[in-house]
Amino acid sequence: GEDVEQSLFLSVREGDSSVINCTYTDSSSTYLYWYKQEPGAGLQLLTYIFSNMDMKQDQRLTVLLNKKDKHLSLRIADTQTGDSAIYFCAERTGGGNKLTFGTGTQLKVEL
Amino acid sequence: EPEVTQTPSHQVTQMGQEVILRCVPISNHLYFYWYRQILGQKVEFLVSFYNNEISEKSEIFDDQFSVERPDGSNFTLKIRSTKLEDSAMYFCASKPGTGNEKLFFGSGTQLSVL
Repeated sequence: GEDVEQSLFLSVREGDSSVINCTYTDSSSTYLYWYKQEPGAGLQLLTYIFSNMDMKQDQRLTVLLNKKDKHLSLRIADTQTGDSAIYFCAERTGGGNKLTFGTGTQLKVEL
Repeated sequence: EPEVTQTPSHQVTQMGQEVILRCVPISNHLYFYWYRQILGQKVEFLVSFYNNEISEKSEIFDDQFSVERPDGSNFTLKIRSTKLEDSAMYFCASKPGTGNEKLFFGSGTQLSVL
């Protein structure tokens, strides 16, 4: 079955780059997503990548996908205090519509 | 930017009661979903809905649960005879259609069963 894992915490200094990592088990993943959740808020879609791509960049965000190792990462350049949140990766597998989420990584940005 | 809207933001109910969680998906979206997140656990898929019928459901989504799109704008999740373990944050989501894979979530309804 599908399983998605993330480290629970990451702490960085303001201005540094953050790299949040995710591993998944299902090789039939079609799309992989990154969501951001701020306290008391819903899941905000940040970006997603199709499984036949290995990189996608969107402003300060860079997604890297290593399909061979089933590893996905989200790099946030010039991390700001407003980036402090929980970041979830999620995979969509096969022809279905459901997403399988990771545990979420709590990103803390320190001054 | 269009948003998925959920009401209420918090719902408190007594065990055994029925609750209806309401969602207004983004206009013109065709696929609708419910997910839930029990405190401290992963976000879990419950059900997907397309063309006025359930297209996929998880093992969690048993006979206690039902979904409905009663009109052109609302999408509801009904939980009958609530149990303590139904306490969770329930998220509604919607997607435009095949070929557009952006899945947008609402801010959630926190359900507390006492």
